[in-house]
Amino acid sequence: AQSVTQPDIHITVSEGASLELRCNYSYGATPYLFWYVQSPGQGLQLLLKYFSGDTLVQGIKGFEAEFKRSQSSFNLRKPSVHWSDAAEYFCAVRGGGFKTIFGAGTRLFVKA
Amino acid sequence: NAGVTQTPKFQVLKTGQSMTLQCAQDMNHEYMSWYRQDPGMGLRLIHYSVGAGITDQGEVPNGYNVSRSTTEDFPLRLLSAAPSQTSVYFCASSYSPRGEGEKLFFGSGTQLSVL
Repeated sequence: AQSVTQPDIHITVSEGASLELRCNYSYGATPYLFWYVQSPGQGLQLLLKYFSGDTLVQGIKGFEAEFKRSQSSFNLRKPSVHWSDAAEYFCAVRGGGFKTIFGAGTRLFVKA
Repeated sequence: NAGVTQTPKFQVLKTGQSMTLQCAQDMNHEYMSWYRQDPGMGLRLIHYSVGAGITDQGEVPNGYNVSRSTTEDFPLRLLSAAPSQTSVYFCASSYSPRGEGEKLFFGSGTQLSVL
């Protein structure tokens, strides 16, 4: 069975600073990997996904993520954070059996 | 397109009561699923379905039942509500579970309180 670990419960960055959110997964084969964002009081929106090919994937809102098979990681990055990026971010993995399993989430706070 | 529609948006139950959370999608999606979201625990999969007549358990299925009689609808039934089932519930669907990298489309959620 697949699983996802997001080690950071919350992260605070200054506006304009770079951001990296960590995600580690457990699955025997190459999984499908996703990052979703949930803004306060909102539903979940897909930022980006990886299923094969180039290990660096680009998403919406200037986000990117890199799949590293050797580290079982799929970290999310953004070079310059905006105040509107404050939200909760979820990493998710879909392996066999069609189930999509989510991590516990990382809440991002942005300082002015 | 309405997308994924959940009803009700808010519900308060007493311990022991039963109720059904409704989920409908108009995108002809094969795959539908239910999650619950609790602080610090992310979204946990309750049940899912890969097509009409087919359902399976997720990570936290106890206390919940589902059925999938049509492609469009995937109701979640709480048999005997408990305070531990206080949560925000999300229904999600995708076109095909067999498609590569299919993203999930989420409903707006149901906030459930069990007293």
